[in-house]
Amino acid sequence: KAGVTQTPRYLIKTRGQQVTLSCSPISGHRSVSWYQQTPGQGLQFLFEYFSETQRNKGNFPGRFSGRQFSNSRSEMNVSTLELGDSALYLCASSRGEVPSGNTIYFGEGSWLTVV
Amino acid sequence: DAKTTQPNSMESNEEEPVHLPCNHSTISGTDYIHWYRQLPSQGPEYVIHGLTSNVNNRMASLAIAEDRKSSTLILHRATLRDAAVYYCILGANSKLTFGKGITLSVRP
Repeated sequence: KAGVTQTPRYLIKTRGQQVTLSCSPISGHRSVSWYQQTPGQGLQFLFEYFSETQRNKGNFPGRFSGRQFSNSRSEMNVSTLELGDSALYLCASSRGEVPSGNTIYFGEGSWLTVV
Repeated sequence: DAKTTQPNSMESNEEEPVHLPCNHSTISGTDYIHWYRQLPSQGPEYVIHGLTSNVNNRMASLAIAEDRKSSTLILHRATLRDAAVYYCILGANSKLTFGKGITLSVRP
């Protein structure tokens, strides 16, 4: 069974640019969540999508957005990049029932560096 | 969100059992207790999770206190590959609130 796949794995962007990251969940999983990991703040929840609808949202500015497609694949976008957006962005998928005893599986992440 | 409290670090010897504690005194009735671990430059890896009863899988055991205000992850025989940051997390849905975790070092 293929795991959670994230692309690209590494990318470098310039301040002010925008970036789109992609995530393919495990087959059959309808929930996709996104997390940001930085040395200073640790792992922080960005948002969760379930059946193409945003179901949960963390405390991030509106520059961070996402969407989910009918095949459960998801993308997240960060506009007007700032140096502080440099981080490992992790995607996670699960079956998504709430309340959940579902196992949540993480991808390897996308390393974003903003210069 | 309910919070968890873990020690910052712990050391273990290879092939000995390891008990990683976690306190979660504000846990709600629908919160599951999840444990993940993370190696450097990798995404978090699922270890185990449970609600009320103790749980076992091929990786570890999870012992949950009767009042659910604390739990312990048990690695039965630590290996060098078990050296990682271990996160104890509470969640009732797909939103996980990570703390700083506990860094486990394993001595050969």
